[in-house]
Amino acid sequence: QVQLQESGPGLVKPSETLSLTCTVAGVSMSGFYWGWIRQPPGKGLEWIAYIDYTGSTYYNPSFKSRVTISIDTSRNQFSLKLNSVTAADTAVYYCARAPVFGMVISHFDYWGHGTLVTVSS
Amino acid sequence: DIVMTQSPDSLAVSLGEKATINCKSSHSVLYNSKNKNHLAWYQRKPGQPPKLLIYWASTRESGVPDRFSGSGSGTDFTLTISSLQAEDVAVYYCQQYYSNPLTFGGGTKVEIK
Repeated sequence: QVQLQESGPGLVKPSETLSLTCTVAGVSMSGFYWGWIRQPPGKGLEWIAYIDYTGSTYYNPSFKSRVTISIDTSRNQFSLKLNSVTAADTAVYYCARAPVFGMVISHFDYWGHGTLVTVSS
Repeated sequence: DIVMTQSPDSLAVSLGEKATINCKSSHSVLYNSKNKNHLAWYQRKPGQPPKLLIYWASTRESGVPDRFSGSGSGTDFTLTISSLQAEDVAVYYCQQYYSNPLTFGGGTKVEIK
């Protein structure tokens, strides 16, 4: 059974770095893309980044150079770092898996339960 | 960026009646070489993560009841719940995975009338 679990601080101060880890259970990380999506309170879903098992990364330009995604297949984990956070980064952050079809990302078929990160001093 | 526009923002449907949600993309999400529309539908209930319902615009995810169906091609898509059940109360999102950045629609809230 595929399971994803986000972990990390629930409170981050403005201008600091938000760091989250997603632990994957029940499946090898090979052959999939692994992504982060967030949902600010009262707003819609926003894709942040995804990575494949070789470490190739894809970022939403909206986050410019603030975001880094990484993967550690030996631990079955992938991580997100978002720098210089502001109150606008307050959101529920989800990690998710996407199958690969012909070297192209597809839909997100498994999601973590999500973790609320609040940016506040 | 491909903008995904859903309509309506919310709808109230009687139990057992049909619910129809529309999603329009600002650019075609049809990959002609593979004849596949790169579009998915998700269901999100309060306190739960999004759940995949439909992918490739019309392929139902395993375990999803057959009252859920997806249709459309190119830029216009529809999610239909043929006979609304109480457990279908949720917000529904479409998402394109044709090009980066991946984008979602704003969501459609479905309630019981």
